[in-house]
Amino acid sequence: EVQLLESGGGLVQPGGSLRLSCAASGFTFSSYAMNWVRQAPGKGLEWVSSISGSGVSTYYADSVKGRFTISRDNSKNTLFMQMNSLRAEDTAVYYCAKLNSVNYIDYWGQGTLVTVSS
Amino acid sequence: QPVLTQASSASASLGSSVKFTCTLSSGHSGYIIAWHQQQPGKAPRYLMKLEYSGSFNKGSGVPDRFSGSTSGADRYLTISNLQSEDEADYYCETWDSNTRVFGGGTRLTVL
Repeated sequence: EVQLLESGGGLVQPGGSLRLSCAASGFTFSSYAMNWVRQAPGKGLEWVSSISGSGVSTYYADSVKGRFTISRDNSKNTLFMQMNSLRAEDTAVYYCAKLNSVNYIDYWGQGTLVTVSS
Repeated sequence: QPVLTQASSASASLGSSVKFTCTLSSGHSGYIIAWHQQQPGKAPRYLMKLEYSGSFNKGSGVPDRFSGSTSGADRYLTISNLQSEDEADYYCETWDSNTRVFGGGTRLTVL
């Protein structure tokens, strides 16, 4: 059974940093690209970032480019998101999501809440 | 990059059927999409992949009441024999090059 378990969310002041983690199990982690998707309170889903299975290729939404860094440790089956220079508009539930071989999301984590506020 | 357009809300009665539409922007009518369901207070759940041909593949455990179809740039999700647990937000997803796009979501109210 595929499981994705996020952690690392919390309350942070504007301009601060946070590191999210997503522990994966139930599939060959290194074989699949992974994503971070966020959802602001009362809003829809917004793609944030993707990383290839090897970790060599990374992609970002314009809204986070230059501030967020996605990475993975395939030896530990874990996905990360380093978030710097956080803004109030980054407040959201952040979901870890697995892509299948065709390139759409086929599994979601339960999410972790990030609140940026003074 | 593609844009996905969805109605903001829908309603239907218990036991009836409802059909959601996700429309791909001009020049992107051949794209594959995926449908996801998000029940209140929960994480999204993958429902199915839907191709231009109308062929669809559902995720594990998705009931037979859920089906997909296509007409041109429109991708449909139909739920028959509506149950109370179907009350949720429904999102479509697609991708292009190195970006991923979601529709704005349709909120279903089961009457």
